Amino acid sequence: DAGITQSPRHKVTETGTPVTLRCHQTENHRYMYWYRQDPGHGLRLIHYSYGVKDTDKGEVSDGYSVSRSKTEDFLLTLESATSSQTSVYFCAISESPDSQETQYFGPGTRLLVL
Amino acid sequence: QKEVEQNSGPLSVPEGAIASLNCTYSDRGSQSFFWYRQYSGKSPELIMSIYSNGDKEDGRFTAQLNKASQYVSLLIRDSQPSDSATYLCAVISDSNYQLIWGAGTKLIIKP
Repeated sequence: DAGITQSPRHKVTETGTPVTLRCHQTENHRYMYWYRQDPGHGLRLIHYSYGVKDTDKGEVSDGYSVSRSKTEDFLLTLESATSSQTSVYFCAISESPDSQETQYFGPGTRLLVL
Repeated sequence: QKEVEQNSGPLSVPEGAIASLNCTYSDRGSQSFFWYRQYSGKSPELIMSIYSNGDKEDGRFTAQLNKASQYVSLLIRDSQPSDSATYLCAVISDSNYQLIWGAGTKLIIKP
């Protein structure tokens, strides 16, 4: 993994509770992304950040919020978790949005909402 | 809506044979194409990128791109059991530089 960690790696929570997932990078990359991965859907972008305090929505942003107060940290918050948010969450980073710049992924967080 | 389509598989290939994985995309303006490999329970890792029509070879892997047909493929020669994984095709949208992902093809290499 390209200097990307995610915490927690596993979490079980109950419907209606808030949950925050953390992504930490040591690569000083400007761009950070949160994806969710579900069977049959591949990876779907939730939110992304293009700098400190600069974020934008992805295709499945409803029910999620993000924050980036430092270059190295990107937080994903489920304000009130629902069972439909049970998924594997991946953080990714890239140096730029250039069309030839790939993304590197963290190890993932498995979230189960009961 | 821009889409990337892959056969979900599983695709079963004998050890030592050539595995052929296919991907089609809907956005004609796409210029960049990636193949990622994902082992069960792990994160995706980049194995090939291709930007021009034709073939690009890297060791046992060959990526093929045909923009006219909106088709990209990945060939794995001399398949090994360690190649058993899910292969994800990803395409960069030229409108917002976001990666659009296929759902992946599960490849099983049988010894």
